[in-house]
This record gives sequence, C-alpha cells and structure tokens, in this order.
Amino acid sequence: KQEVTQIPAALSVPEGENLVLNCSFTDSAIYNLQWFRQDPGKGLTSLLLIQSSQREQTSGRLNASLDKSSGRSTLYIAASQPGDSATYLCAVGDYKLSFGAGTTVTVRA
Amino acid sequence: EAGVAQSPRYKIIEKRQSVAFWCNPISGHATLYWYQQILGQGPKLLIQFQNNGVVDDSQLPKDRFSAERLKGVDSTLKIQPAKLEDSAVYLCASSLTGEEQYFGPGTRLTVT
Repeated sequence: KQEVTQIPAALSVPEGENLVLNCSFTDSAIYNLQWFRQDPGKGLTSLLLIQSSQREQTSGRLNASLDKSSGRSTLYIAASQPGDSATYLCAVGDYKLSFGAGTTVTVRA
Repeated sequence: EAGVAQSPRYKIIEKRQSVAFWCNPISGHATLYWYQQILGQGPKLLIQFQNNGVVDDSQLPKDRFSAERLKGVDSTLKIQPAKLEDSAVYLCASSLTGEEQYFGPGTRLTVT
C-alpha cells in the first residue's frame, strides 16, 4: 500500500522568502505525481503534474522535482506572496491517487 | 471551460438520516471520482467510474454508501444511514485521460 508523507504539517514564512515543500512516498513504482493547492473551504486546484518519466515540471514561480529512486518530490515556490497561503497536497498514483495530509503554508506580509 | 460542479455545498444532518450529493463533471470527461476528506487528512478515494461503469469501489463502505452515474455524465453519492464519523468534505473529480484530475469545490457534511 502506498504511503505518502508531507513534512512539516505547517509552515510560516515572511513574504518574499522561497518556499520548499516536501513529499515522500513508499512505493517508487509510481505512475504520476501531482501537486495540489487547497484553500479553506474549497476544493483542490491542480498545480503541477509530473509523469513518471519526467524529473521536474515548472509553471511560473512553481517548480516541482521528482526522484523516484529516493521516493521524494519537492515543490519550490519562489518569492512567496500572501496569496500563496493555502494547504499544499501531493498525490501519487495512476487513476487511484494516494494523498499526503498536506502542508499548511502561511505567508506573512 | 466550466469546472466540476457539486451540490449542495454544505449539509447538516442528524445521525441515522440519509443524504445525497450531486456531481456534474467537466464536459467530455469519461472518468469520475468521489473522494472523502476528513479534517486534517488528505482525500481518500471512495469510488471511480469510467463512463457509467464502476472501476474501483474497494474503499466504499457499501453497507451505507452507494453511488451511481447515469448515462455516463452526472453522478450521485448517497449515505444511508449516516454516522458521526461520516462528517467530512466529499469531493468529486473528473479526468479526461486518467492522468490529471480536476476537482470540484466539495460538499461539507456535518453529522450531529
């Protein structure tokens, strides 16, 4: 059974600092890894999808890397803004996604 | 492109009552998922449909939960009777290729 862990559970940084969010998984035979953002009381917004053959994906200030051999993915958010405050979840799998519990980020103005 | 629609957004019921949630996926998406997200946890897959057929319902508590997807479009998830531990956000997602999933806003259920 795939176990997905996200540490830390919460993170608070001043505006402008770069964010580094970690995700680890137990089964390296993954299909895809997807990073999501969840705002309070809202659904999940897909940020980045990394296919198993890829090592990273980038979108604007966001960059996600994937190292299947070590069972890790990292989401980097450059020059954080208060609007980046949210919970970030990673999920691995093919059609059946296994989610981590998320990292709640607060960016202080 | 319209996103995944869900209703109601909030529901409060007493234990042992029944409740139903509705989901309309993104147009053309053949795959539809229902997830349960308990506070402080990541979503857990309850059931997956491909068109109007069930692909995976291994984590659906079938003694009280049921789901259907008529005509391969809209879907409903029902709980009967509800228990206190069913309090959660129920998320619907859809996918075109089976790779990237798009989520709706969710229905927050409170069972008292």
